[in-house]
Amino acid sequence: SYVVAQTPSLSVAPGQTARIACGGDNIGSKSVHWFQQRPGQAPVLVIQYDFDRPAGIPERFSGSNSGNTATLSISRVEAGDEADYYCQVWDMGNDHPHWVFGGGTKLTVL
Amino acid sequence: QITLKESGPPLLTPTQTLTLTCRFAGFSLTTSGVGVGWIRQPPGKGLEWLALIYWDDEKRYSPSLKTRLTITKDTSKNQVVLTMTNMDAADTATYYCVHSHMVRGVVPPFDPWGQGTLVTVSS
Repeated sequence: SYVVAQTPSLSVAPGQTARIACGGDNIGSKSVHWFQQRPGQAPVLVIQYDFDRPAGIPERFSGSNSGNTATLSISRVEAGDEADYYCQVWDMGNDHPHWVFGGGTKLTVL
Repeated sequence: QITLKESGPPLLTPTQTLTLTCRFAGFSLTTSGVGVGWIRQPPGKGLEWLALIYWDDEKRYSPSLKTRLTITKDTSKNQVVLTMTNMDAADTATYYCVHSHMVRGVVPPFDPWGQGTLVTVSS
């Protein structure tokens, strides 16, 4: 089964850029989606297909994906960006297609 | 506007079977490419995909849980039901219902999500 790994936590000062990584074997060949989950709320899609922003998501959110690492970048970080962030991929996996989530990164805004 | 809402028992005892219902609005599960799935999240932990059913009744299950899961749909009622057998304390989690819509064969993200329903398994 395909495995994706995320750093458990990241702290960033307001106004700085947060870069959240999602690692997996040749993940650059897959489409990666990113979700933001604020405390007590359901996850919300913030980046789809590696770098596309759904409607209503601020331009401060961007994504990239190459090689073994996909990255979610949040520029000009605000207090409201404090949340857990999860990457997700779809894997064919031995004829048993399934969806895989990273373990999540807790973003703390200092 | 697409909405999904989960319902189910808040408390189960070990070995019981969990039955969850997702009632949705704003789309039809008869539309080509549309799917409804389930994802769970144990308290304080990460997300785990469980199952998904497509408009054409194709079903996908988590490889690690497939022997315990059954997903069905009732398009006339706009609802999807997930059953999970032999529940254990480790299955305590918030269970989310999600929408997806495949276009031109490209597997899409889950969007949006329901608010989730907490299921606790305890004796």
